[in-house]
Amino acid sequence: DAKTTQPTSMDCAEGRAANLPCNHSTISGNEYVYWYRQIHSQGPQYIIHGLKNNETNEMASLIITEDRKSSTLILPHATLRDTAVYYCIVRVAGGGNKLTFGTGTQLKVEL
Amino acid sequence: DAGVIQSPRHEVTEMGQEVTLRCKPISGHNSLFWYRQTMMRGLELLIYFNNNVPIDDSGMPEDRFSAKMPNASFSTLKIQPSEPRDSAVYFCASSSLQGNIQYFGAGTRLSVL
Repeated sequence: DAKTTQPTSMDCAEGRAANLPCNHSTISGNEYVYWYRQIHSQGPQYIIHGLKNNETNEMASLIITEDRKSSTLILPHATLRDTAVYYCIVRVAGGGNKLTFGTGTQLKVEL
Repeated sequence: DAGVIQSPRHEVTEMGQEVTLRCKPISGHNSLFWYRQTMMRGLELLIYFNNNVPIDDSGMPEDRFSAKMPNASFSTLKIQPSEPRDSAVYFCASSSLQGNIQYFGAGTRLSVL
C-alpha cells in the first residue's frame, strides 16, 4: 500500500470548515483513498473513501486532485465532537484487504 | 445490528499468565482483523482472516501470540505467556469481502503487570 503524509496536528474553530490534507504521491492506479477517524478511547470509524472523483456523504467531503497525488478531507461545520485523530489511508479496494494506519492528524476543534 | 463486539473491555493480568481476547464480528461479514494500538507504535495490524482462513499473520509479534477463527461468528487472540510489553489496546474489526468499510469494536485494554 502507498505511504501517506499528513500534518501532525491542526486546530479548527467550532462551526468552521476543517480541511485536512493528505499527500500520497506514490498512489497506484487501483488504490483508493480512505479516511478514518479515532475519537479518544474509541475504535476507528470509517468516514469516506474515493478513487478519483470527489465524494460527499453525511459526514464529510473528499477532494482528490486530478493527478491523485494528494487529497483533502473537509468537515463542513466542525463541532467539538469532531475532535479526533484523522487517518488518511491508501489501499486497494475490497473488504478483504488490510488497512495500514500511519500517525494521522490530531484535529482539535475549539470554541 | 450490535456492531463488532469485543470482550473483555479491560483486562489486568500478571506477567506469565495466559490472556484470551474475544471478538464477535458483524453478522454476515467474512473478513476479520486484529489490530494493536500503543503510544510507541500506533495502530498496527496483527492478523486477518477471510472466510475464517488466516490470510496474513506477518504482524503477529512472536510465537506467544496466536489467533483462531473457528467459525464465522467468533475469533480469539491469545497471548501465552503474557509480558508487560504486551500492554496495549487490542481492536477487532470486520468487513464483508465485497464491501469497502471496516467496522471496529470498542477494543480491549490489556494491562500486564
